[in-house]
Amino acid sequence: GNSVTQMEGPVTLSEEAFLTINCTYTATGYPSLFWYVQYPGEGLQLLLKATKADDKGSNKGFEATYRKETTSFHLEKGSVQVSDSAVYFCALRGQGTDKLIFGTGTRLQVFP
Amino acid sequence: GAGVSQSPSNKVTEKGKDVELRCDPISGHTALYWYRQSLGQGLEFLIYFQGNSAPDKSGLPSDRFSAERTGGSVSTLTIQRTQQEDSAVYLCASSWGGQGNEQFFGPGTRLTVL
Repeated sequence: GNSVTQMEGPVTLSEEAFLTINCTYTATGYPSLFWYVQYPGEGLQLLLKATKADDKGSNKGFEATYRKETTSFHLEKGSVQVSDSAVYFCALRGQGTDKLIFGTGTRLQVFP
Repeated sequence: GAGVSQSPSNKVTEKGKDVELRCDPISGHTALYWYRQSLGQGLEFLIYFQGNSAPDKSGLPSDRFSAERTGGSVSTLTIQRTQQEDSAVYLCASSWGGQGNEQFFGPGTRLTVL
């Protein structure tokens, strides 16, 4: 079946550091890929998405590229801020389905 | 309302009791989803509604769990004879329907079974 694997947290960084959170997936066909973010005390929000191979999703300085050859969708940001501290979830929606399948989440902590 | 709302925000119950969790989707959204977020299992899909029909119930963990949606709007997730392993945050999401549309999540209901 379809599944998502993302790196364990927490990831602890200083402000302005470079961020990478790894995400790989297993799926048949052509899934759509997503990153969701959950800020402290808030609900899940869509951060970015990509619906086909080689697409790059980007938002708020974050970006991720849909790599079919490596079945990956790694999240990156060039310079993190304290306000980026949150839990980040990688997710996929299988081709022909509506439900989202999530990774376990990665907690990011950014210190000034 | 502006977003997906869920009630109650917190629910504490005793083992063996029944609970009902409510979701009010964004007005006009035809698709509605229930997910569960727990320490042991992460974020997992429970059930999906398109209108009042549930074409995918594959994530419901046991027959103690059921859900309904009426009028293409409000949905209720019912857990009968609650067990301690049911303790989790239950999330509802809605979308315009169709595979390309973003799912908007509510704040969740935190269920604690004592």
